[in-house]
Amino acid sequence: QKEVEQDPGPLSVPEGAIVSLNCTYSNSAFQYFMWYRQYSRKGPELLMYTYSSGNKEDGRFTAQVDKSSKYISLFIRDSQPSDSATYLCAMSGGGSNYKLTFGKGTLLTVNP
Amino acid sequence: GAGVSQSPSNKVTEKGKDVELRCDPISGHTALYWYRQSLGQGLEFLIYFQGNSAPDKSGLPSDRFSAERTGGSVSTLTIQRTQQEDSAVYLCASSLIPPYSGNTIYFGEGSWLTVV
Repeated sequence: QKEVEQDPGPLSVPEGAIVSLNCTYSNSAFQYFMWYRQYSRKGPELLMYTYSSGNKEDGRFTAQVDKSSKYISLFIRDSQPSDSATYLCAMSGGGSNYKLTFGKGTLLTVNP
Repeated sequence: GAGVSQSPSNKVTEKGKDVELRCDPISGHTALYWYRQSLGQGLEFLIYFQGNSAPDKSGLPSDRFSAERTGGSVSTLTIQRTQQEDSAVYLCASSLIPPYSGNTIYFGEGSWLTVV
């Protein structure tokens, strides 16, 4: 079992839809949880960062962490064609906070 | 600079040749990281620098891979005797220390390596 599991998709939705992206993990030491967005042939850029369990909202994006279930989610409201990208979950903790463990990424396409 | 800068952007090399990949982190960032992104494998941690020292090299896949950082700034990742399985995107990132007390890790756009 990989430390972080993420459905690779691809996921295709119409513009304006609510998108739900998810990751599960096995390492209970993880305490920092991130979502990165990666456009084609670009580096990943940080979208959301959450420490421990809870919710965090930033504009159209909401990140949720449930440590008891070892499950994290990213919700995108009113999705736009410009949201089309690969979304990567990442996490760290347990004395190696600098070392990110990534999911494989979910390819999202938002159709106009 | 404004962001993490990597060179070359693209590199095609013949199997068995050595390659050097360069990373120039964001000014003032003392932490520097190398990751590898292979098709279907996601991003894998390679090495972490704090200043010029590398307290964690655990992700380097073999002794053909090495990295150094000089002057607390520029880093070079060297792959000796390249193999086809080394074909991947090599991503460099940097951050303030400590990372994740709210500090962001910023990635460059990567060096796309193809070994033929």
